Amino acid sequence: GESVGLHLPTLSVQEGDNSIINCAYSNSASDYFIWYKQESGKGPQFIIDIRSNMDKRQGQRVTVLLNKTVKHLSLQIAATQPGDSAVYFCAEFGNQFYFGTGTSLTVIP
Amino acid sequence: KAGVTQTPRYLIKTRGQQVTLSCSPISGHRSVSWYQQTPGQGLQFLFEYFSETQRNKGNFPGRFSGRQFSNSRSEMNVSTLELGDSALYLCASSLGRPNTGELFFGEGSRLTVL
Repeated sequence: GESVGLHLPTLSVQEGDNSIINCAYSNSASDYFIWYKQESGKGPQFIIDIRSNMDKRQGQRVTVLLNKTVKHLSLQIAATQPGDSAVYFCAEFGNQFYFGTGTSLTVIP
Repeated sequence: KAGVTQTPRYLIKTRGQQVTLSCSPISGHRSVSWYQQTPGQGLQFLFEYFSETQRNKGNFPGRFSGRQFSNSRSEMNVSTLELGDSALYLCASSLGRPNTGELFFGEGSRLTVL
């Protein structure tokens, strides 16, 4: 089966610092990847996506990097704010979406 | 416009009972997919419907079933409930197939099986 894992289950950063959340995926045939943010009691919220024909994609304060050689995905959040505290999931799509178990990001004011 | 709506938000059932959960996608979205979220397993894919047809199914027993109506609303049913079915069930909708663009999630239906 598929395996989408995260390098760290928890991450704490100071407000204003940059955050990097990592994710490893197992299916080299996956061609679409998404990062989601989930706050307590809410459903996952789309942050940014990237297709396999790209290495990098930038959004507002977020950047996703895709390294297909080592099957690694990362999410960079610039100038992390308290409102960024949440669980972050990566997801890969081959024939269906496979989600990681998530990294809990805590922003320290 | 309204987001993905799931009902009920919370429910408690006992072992052996069955449950039906409902999902109303974003207007115009034709794809609905369902996921089970538990602390240990994360989000696990249940099934995906597109234009009333089940397009894909995850590795769940036959007790889990679903359907999609002509207005794209979807229901999932779990029969003969087990304690391990306690979870947050999330529905997501997208305009086309899930890998064609952003997947929008509802707030989920939290099922507790006693």
